[in-house]
Amino acid sequence: GIQVEQSPPDLILQEGANSTLRCNFSDSVNNLQWFHQNPWGQLINLFYIPSGTKQNGRLSATTVATERYSLLYISSSQTTDSGVYFCAVLGNDMRFGAGTRLTVKP
Amino acid sequence: DAGVTQSPTHLIKTRGQQVTLRCSPKSGHDTVSWYQQALGQGPQFIFQYYEEEERQRGNFPDRFSGHQFPNYSSELNVNALLLGDSALYLCASSSGVHYGYTFGSGTRLTVV
Repeated sequence: GIQVEQSPPDLILQEGANSTLRCNFSDSVNNLQWFHQNPWGQLINLFYIPSGTKQNGRLSATTVATERYSLLYISSSQTTDSGVYFCAVLGNDMRFGAGTRLTVKP
Repeated sequence: DAGVTQSPTHLIKTRGQQVTLRCSPKSGHDTVSWYQQALGQGPQFIFQYYEEEERQRGNFPDRFSGHQFPNYSSELNVNALLLGDSALYLCASSSGVHYGYTFGSGTRLTVV
């Protein structure tokens, strides 16, 4: 099946800093989603982005499908951005990376 | 617009018992997928149901089985529970198999 690798595994930032999370995948995919998992386990969809660039407030994402990677940008980070960010790709089914645990310190 | 609803939210079972988890998809969605998420790990794909049939299956033993009903809701059954089955079980729905997924809040299963 498709392999999904996320980096870095852990990221610690001061409030106000910017960050870039990366997702590499091993094969062509039908779609790609970025999720934020809150402390209660709910996976919140951030972006549905099989290709191209999208922006939503302080967050933006870019997927280069031909090179099999996606990037999630978080600007002016806030403590509420803390949590685990997952990239998931859809081939025949949706496969998740191991996640990036982001901690934003005040 | 109701999202994906899972029940129960928490469950404690004894090793060897059987458990049934339930999922109601988002309105307009016809495809349901189930995932197991162990502590500190990413969700692992269990199986997917579409048109009341199992369409895809991940690397899980036959103790894990499921069902999809005509109203698109779904059940996940796990027999002969093991301690290692303790996890957060997530249900996701989509419109067809190739579009964005919406996840429920999950059922946290503890096997003692």
